[in-house]
Amino acid sequence: ETGVTQSPTHLIKTRGQQVTLRCSSQSGHNTVSWYQQALGQGPQFIFQYYREEENGRGNFPPRFSGLQFPNYSSELNVNALELDDSALYLCASSLGTSGYDADTQYFGPGTRLTVL
Amino acid sequence: RKEVEQDPGPFNVPEGATVAFNCTYSNSASQSFFWYRQDCRKEPKLLMSVYSSGNEDGRFTAQLNRASQYISLLIRDSKLSDSATYLCVVSGGGADGLTFGKGTHLIIQP
Repeated sequence: ETGVTQSPTHLIKTRGQQVTLRCSSQSGHNTVSWYQQALGQGPQFIFQYYREEENGRGNFPPRFSGLQFPNYSSELNVNALELDDSALYLCASSLGTSGYDADTQYFGPGTRLTVL
Repeated sequence: RKEVEQDPGPFNVPEGATVAFNCTYSNSASQSFFWYRQDCRKEPKLLMSVYSSGNEDGRFTAQLNRASQYISLLIRDSKLSDSATYLCVVSGGGADGLTFGKGTHLIIQP
């Protein structure tokens, strides 16, 4: 196992609601990245957090936001949920922001979000 | 636009056979390359990194061709447990995150 944990494992919400997903990184890792994986697709990069600040962002709207805490754990918040937000949300931890260690990311088990 | 292209399959292969997957990537500035394995409804797991010199891990061999922007994975003596989706992944480095292909679905048949 990678040591990356996520909660909850499953979640059902309705359109317009807000959701918070949580991630604890692998021991020794200080960078957390979040990905969205729709059915039949590869994961898509949402954003990355390093030292409690957003360090990079993919093509996702501002209603996707996040936080990183001093212990390197992280939250993903999604406001005004849409049906298309139904997906597996994955967090990945790594070390630093550049180089091989930063690129070598280890994934948690994911949170499966269903929006009705 | 950064893209990673893979043949989605499925590849139906008899146990013990050799199977090869390929992918191409569009961003010539990509710095790191990986193959991940993903089982149904599970998270992606790092299978191996990919280097220009080629690297081997047991039955698995990965190769990178930077000039052609092409990555390959070879699985020898395939096992039933190799059945999974194989994701080709590239990184531009740092804060851009990883770019994943859609995955190639492999089914090993007894």
